[in-house]
Amino acid sequence: DTGVSQDPRHKITKRGQNVTFRCDPISEHNRLYWYRQTLGQGPEFLTYFQNEAQLEKSRLLSDRFSAERPKGSFSTLEIQRTEQGDSAMYLCASSLGHNEKLFFGSGTQLSVL
Amino acid sequence: QQQVKQSPQSLIVQKGGISIINCAYENTAFDYFPWYQQFPGKGPALLIAIRPDVSEKKEGRFTISFNKSAKQFSLHIMDSQPGDSATYFCAARARALTFGSGTRLQVQP
Repeated sequence: DTGVSQDPRHKITKRGQNVTFRCDPISEHNRLYWYRQTLGQGPEFLTYFQNEAQLEKSRLLSDRFSAERPKGSFSTLEIQRTEQGDSAMYLCASSLGHNEKLFFGSGTQLSVL
Repeated sequence: QQQVKQSPQSLIVQKGGISIINCAYENTAFDYFPWYQQFPGKGPALLIAIRPDVSEKKEGRFTISFNKSAKQFSLHIMDSQPGDSATYFCAARARALTFGSGTRLQVQP
């Protein structure tokens, strides 16, 4: 499978715990995006990388959220001290460049109890 | 701040009918307008896209109509099929994609 892959597919955690998600973009795609989607809503932009540089962060991305793309390949999204409001589907997407098509992974469904 | 407004929220169409979903935007910096299809448990998948210098784009049964002056664009699905039943999102891009709130389409056999 050469698409965008995300791990894990599902994560259940208790409030206050830290969680980390991983995204492997399509090979050679230099842009990587993180989105969050809640039930019945469209995806909301969180942040994106051009290679290893994080170029933009949404105001939705509180200080508890941090994303990295250390070698310009895979990316991780960490949420510290999770809250129930963090429960959502976290989607990763990649593209070859700004003007290229965006391909999404299947997401990580986070449930905070 | 909802920069892309999508309607209707849900839509029921008979097999063979035409499904029409509408979106409106405000930000004139948007330069690319895709439509995504999403099935339960899956990420959104690109369906068709248009740039603002074109008023219409057709790919198979799917057509985007774009009205730059009105800041509106719509998706038409011709000969709708039960397999088209999914949630559809319009989106618009400045630096990153901004999505509409989605339309749940149900095509009845």
